[in-house]
Amino acid sequence: EIVMTQSPATLSVSPGERATLSCRASQTIGNNLAWYQQIPGQAPRLLISGASTRATGIPTRFSGSGSGTEFTLTISSLQSEDFALYYCQQYNNWLTWTFGQGTKVEIK
Amino acid sequence: EVQLVQSGAEVKKPGESLKISCKGSGYTFTNYWIGWVRQMPGKGLEWLGIIYPRDSDTRYNPSFQGQVTISADRFINTAYLQWNSLKSSDTAIYYCARLLVVAAGFFDLWGRGTQVTVAS
Repeated sequence: EIVMTQSPATLSVSPGERATLSCRASQTIGNNLAWYQQIPGQAPRLLISGASTRATGIPTRFSGSGSGTEFTLTISSLQSEDFALYYCQQYNNWLTWTFGQGTKVEIK
Repeated sequence: EVQLVQSGAEVKKPGESLKISCKGSGYTFTNYWIGWVRQMPGKGLEWLGIIYPRDSDTRYNPSFQGQVTISADRFINTAYLQWNSLKSSDTAIYYCARLLVVAAGFFDLWGRGTQVTVAS
């Protein structure tokens, strides 16, 4: 099983600042990585697929990068609605998908 | 509106059975795989299995094989997740979600979740 490790567990950021979230895969996954946002009490929302392709309707302040085993989600200027949990998920092989444990982005 | 609408919260006792539902609308339900994802209290996300409503082809995460049953009724655009004998460890929020591309394994559309609480 591919283990996805996200860091940090919690990120404290002030509104308007940049947030950088990391996700590491235990083995190479190409660019088969998605990012989701989950606001407490709500369902997850797809932000990014293919490591860097924004989903429909996702603001341009969200960007994804990386390939292989190291990936990054960057939120360029945090808005109040961006304080949430973020999960990465690898889908390199059919039916062996795994999620990271999540990074909480909180207000500093 | 494209959406997945899930059934309401459930409170059950250990050993009881349960079937929760997920109804798709606003798109051709039979063209996309539907998955079920578990979120235990304070924890991350785990996928349980997926189903292709057109022919009910079902695949399970090996970790959950035999613990749950996934089914679908293509005539009413609904997918189901079922337990025969609940345990307290089944307490979680269960989301249904749509696989956008059959060759990829990420979910582009999610239901709001069904809270399942199992307690004596």
